[in-house]
Amino acid sequence: GAGVSQSPSNKVTEKGKDVELRCDPISGHTALYWYRQSLGQGLEFLIYFQGNSAPDKSGLPSDRFSAERTGGSVSTLTIQRTQQEDSAVYLCASSLAGGGYEKLFFGSGTQLSVL
Amino acid sequence: RKEVEQDPGPFNVPEGATVAFNCTYSNSASQSFFWYRQDCRKEPKLLMSVYSSGNEDGRFTAQLNRASQYISLLIRDSKLSDSATYLCVVSSGSARQLTFGSGTQLTVLP
Repeated sequence: GAGVSQSPSNKVTEKGKDVELRCDPISGHTALYWYRQSLGQGLEFLIYFQGNSAPDKSGLPSDRFSAERTGGSVSTLTIQRTQQEDSAVYLCASSLAGGGYEKLFFGSGTQLSVL
Repeated sequence: RKEVEQDPGPFNVPEGATVAFNCTYSNSASQSFFWYRQDCRKEPKLLMSVYSSGNEDGRFTAQLNRASQYISLLIRDSKLSDSATYLCVVSSGSARQLTFGSGTQLTVLP
């Protein structure tokens, strides 16, 4: 079956603009994660959705970042008033049930460049 | 101190060599441990989980030392296709506590 799908694969934007990044997880996976990876760095946790529970937003770096997950499936990460330091690869992952014990399946990411 | 620390490398080894990476973690409550592999400009993919008793998958062996709070990955008979960045991942049991190391870069040379 299809893996985790992310779009767009690349996004170039001007400082101050808003961007939306989309993630379509593997069908049937209840857990969805967003991470950010800067060049040569590890993955930085942003936000976690599990079923119908309230999302864990503790990793969002500022109030310019928000995410939602509609119908327990597709998720959108929104960055408002982008800054140059937002430039990174944004990775989405899903897993069957969540909880930190399971294999994560990653999408191929969105490379965001803020000019 | 970072929660999960890895030697960034790069490790450059000839084909057929044996290479080992270590990863240390600071949270003694950590419960689950993994190695992920990330090819250049690609997404991470699970290589193997790390079990308390140690485990092996073909040429790859993972070990856990809880007392010293480190995990290791041993690759025997390195192949060119093993060239990648290896990410150490440690979990304390919640999604928020799933922490990725910065990765160790391996290049296997012909």
